[in-house]
Amino acid sequence: QKEVEQNSGPLSVPEGAIASLNCTYSDRVSQSFFWYRQYSGKSPELIMSIYSNGDKEDGRFTAQLNKASQYVSLLIRDSQPSDSATYLCAVKRNRDDKIIFGKGTRLHILP
Amino acid sequence: DGGITQSPKYLFRKEGQNVTLSCEQNLNHDAMYWYRQDPGQGLRLIYYSQIVNDFQKGDIAEGYSVSREKKESFPLTVTSAQKNPTAFYLCASAGTGRYEQYFGPGTRLTVT
Repeated sequence: QKEVEQNSGPLSVPEGAIASLNCTYSDRVSQSFFWYRQYSGKSPELIMSIYSNGDKEDGRFTAQLNKASQYVSLLIRDSQPSDSATYLCAVKRNRDDKIIFGKGTRLHILP
Repeated sequence: DGGITQSPKYLFRKEGQNVTLSCEQNLNHDAMYWYRQDPGQGLRLIYYSQIVNDFQKGDIAEGYSVSREKKESFPLTVTSAQKNPTAFYLCASAGTGRYEQYFGPGTRLTVT
């Protein structure tokens, strides 16, 4: 099992709809989770961090964490064409504190 | 204006040549990291440093070297021993006791 798994996509979502991006991880004692957005040809940009079970909202973004299921997700409400990018899930590995990145999910917002 | 800078943005080298990639930050972050990104691949950790004059190998350190003589600077040298050096190289930093990493704009290295 990969340490951090994401569906590579592309995930196509109509403009204005909710985009839901999912990530599973293997280290059941991980405590810190991050979502990054990466536009084509650019570097990753931190969107959200989440540490506790439940939801964390920031503007149109909501991160959801379920440690029992080893699952973290990112919801983007009112999707805009500018949200089209690759979204990277990252998890802090407990045994050495290293951040492990998933390969990312490509999101395409359809105008 | 705080941030992380990497230079150059694009770099072309002939096989067999060493090349050094620059990474500078003025965020007063203690920790700095170098990653490599290949098409369709996740970010892979090359080297990291949590304090000046100390650094550790990441998952793919072979063929690379680093130094951390100043808090603000963490240059990466890609040596001729690196078998597949063509990639997008990303530098990141994180504050003391923090795990959120902030990335520079990256350097795209092409070796022919």
